[in-house]
Amino acid sequence: LAKTTQPVSMDSYEGQEVNITCSHNNIATNDYITWYQQFPSQGPRFIIQGYKTKVTNEVASLFIPADRKSSTLSLPRVSLSDTAVYYCLVGDPGTGNNRKLIWGLGTSLAVNP
Amino acid sequence: KAGVTQTPRYLIKTRGQQVTLSCSPISGHRSVSWYQQTPGQGLQFLFEYFSETQRNKGNFPGRFSGRQFSNSRSEMNVSTLELGDSALYLCASSQSGRRLDGYTFGSGTRLTVV
Repeated sequence: LAKTTQPVSMDSYEGQEVNITCSHNNIATNDYITWYQQFPSQGPRFIIQGYKTKVTNEVASLFIPADRKSSTLSLPRVSLSDTAVYYCLVGDPGTGNNRKLIWGLGTSLAVNP
Repeated sequence: KAGVTQTPRYLIKTRGQQVTLSCSPISGHRSVSWYQQTPGQGLQFLFEYFSETQRNKGNFPGRFSGRQFSNSRSEMNVSTLELGDSALYLCASSQSGRRLDGYTFGSGTRLTVV
């Protein structure tokens, strides 16, 4: 089971770029890296997913180095509404069965005015 | 399309009682997973059901059980409630339960045990 390590918390200010790094040293060849965002009293929601190099969508960018032992979620020009907990997940989409996703505690991002 | 619906949203129970929580997945989704979320432990996996069969189970005591019906709706039951069972219980639905980017969560049921 892949294990991930993220900072427990981060602080930022409106308009800044925020980078959250996740370590996943035992990532397998077929593993994808996926990030979710969770607001208080809501369930997590999917943000972005990648396998290697860089992925960008309308919400964020995901940078994955060649060794794939870490990944960085980049949130451009954050606003107060980006205050949330961010989870990094690693897993094999082709796993036959019994994937026990390990969500961990995530990174609590606080955006200040 | 309708999202994942969890009922009830809030629940207060006393120790020793039992509780049943319900989750209606997105139409067409056959996998439903349940999680317990507490401030100190984060999101912890309870179990996953796919086509009415429990496909995976986390490390929770037997007091926690679940089932899935033919329409994919799922229920989880906690018997002999303990104070430590107070948590936000989340369910996530997905088409197959295989894609990491395919999980849609409900807003959860906040259970308070007094």
